[in-house]
Amino acid sequence: GESVGLHLPTLSVQEGDNSIINCAYSNSASDYFIWYKQESGKGPQFIIDIRSNMDKRQGQRVTVLLNKTVKHLSLQIAATQPGDSAVYFCAENFGLGKLIFGQGTTLQVKP
Amino acid sequence: EPEVTQTPSHQVTQMGQEVILRCVPISNHLYFYWYRQILGQKVEFLVSFYNNEISEKSEIFDDQFSVERPDGSNFTLKIRSTKLEDSAMYFCAIQGSQDTQYFGPGTRLTVL
Repeated sequence: GESVGLHLPTLSVQEGDNSIINCAYSNSASDYFIWYKQESGKGPQFIIDIRSNMDKRQGQRVTVLLNKTVKHLSLQIAATQPGDSAVYFCAENFGLGKLIFGQGTTLQVKP
Repeated sequence: EPEVTQTPSHQVTQMGQEVILRCVPISNHLYFYWYRQILGQKVEFLVSFYNNEISEKSEIFDDQFSVERPDGSNFTLKIRSTKLEDSAMYFCAIQGSQDTQYFGPGTRLTVL
């Protein structure tokens, strides 16, 4: 069925440390994955995406890793800052633009 | 990153009333989407709209829901007879390059 999940509901890290947020997906036919950041009272904000023909993609301070063998996706944030505090969602493109979101992980950055 | 605005930011309505939520992309786009997010929960897909037609919809998007582009720029979501469980944030999204979807700030719908 349609299911995209996150392993942990809340992640607390120290400012300056690296953060790793994980996501498991169920549809092995999916070919496009996206990470979104959502701050309180705002809409999801695009962070980074990856297609199934890649296993790693890097952005500014963020890296997404895709392991198709175990259907696992992760988001790594380097040198986490207070402004990174938000809920992070992975999303899977089921085709025709239908994004299936995971439950979300709340990232708390401690000063 | 494409910009999307949504109006109103907050809509309060009585159960059974009709509501229309509006989405205004800053530039021309062909692909539009509506999602909803019940408080504290994940974002859920409602409908995708391409070339003035619905291309995909979820189980949530029943006969009480409809979408249209009344004037070629605004993109609307109508709920004909609201229920208490329709209370949620409703997000419009547009497709940019590379299949990426960009979301608006949302409309908070409160049904009393």
